[in-house]
Amino acid sequence: AQSVSQHNHHVILSEAASLELGCNYSYGGTVNLFWYVQYPGQHLQLLLKYFSGDPLVKGIKGFEAEFIKSKFSFNLRKPSVQWSDTAEYFCAVNAEGFQKLVFGTGTRLLVSP
Amino acid sequence: DTGVSQNPRHKITKRGQNVTFRCDPISEHNRLYWYRQTLGQGPEFLTYFQNEAQLEKSRLLSDRFSAERPKGSFSTLEIQRTEQGDSAMYLCASSQVGTRIAKNIQYFGAGTRLSVL
Repeated sequence: AQSVSQHNHHVILSEAASLELGCNYSYGGTVNLFWYVQYPGQHLQLLLKYFSGDPLVKGIKGFEAEFIKSKFSFNLRKPSVQWSDTAEYFCAVNAEGFQKLVFGTGTRLLVSP
Repeated sequence: DTGVSQNPRHKITKRGQNVTFRCDPISEHNRLYWYRQTLGQGPEFLTYFQNEAQLEKSRLLSDRFSAERPKGSFSTLEIQRTEQGDSAMYLCASSQVGTRIAKNIQYFGAGTRLSVL
């Protein structure tokens, strides 16, 4: 069975600080990987995705993530966060041949101005 | 707004009552998914449709839950004899598959928050 672990449940940063949110998954086969973001009062939105190719993927709003297959990881990064990045971030995996997304428990990010 | 639409946004019901939620996917999307999200957790898969066919159901979907997508467009999720443990956010997502570019990128609606008293 697939599972996703997000180790940081709550993160508090000051503006301009760098961000890295951890995501590890368990599945031995080919996977597609996603980061979704949920801003306060809004619906889940896709931040970035990895299907194949370059393991470093860039998403919206300056976010990027790196797929490290040997570590089963897909960590999210941003060099300099803004107050508007305050949101909940979810990592999700979709095993090749399966249709459902399996989500982690999410990380609440609070960026103080 | 041409995104995924869910109605109602909030539903408060008494234990034992039946409730029904509706989801309208993005118009050209042929797949529709239902997820449930409880406090402090990520969304959990319940079921999905390709066009009108329900192709997979999670073990989370007890006999009291039923989902339909009769014409391959909108979908309904019904919960019969609601229990307090059914209180959650019910999310709908849709995707377009069948093209190399589209892959299985799921777009989510705002959800229906159910409170069972």
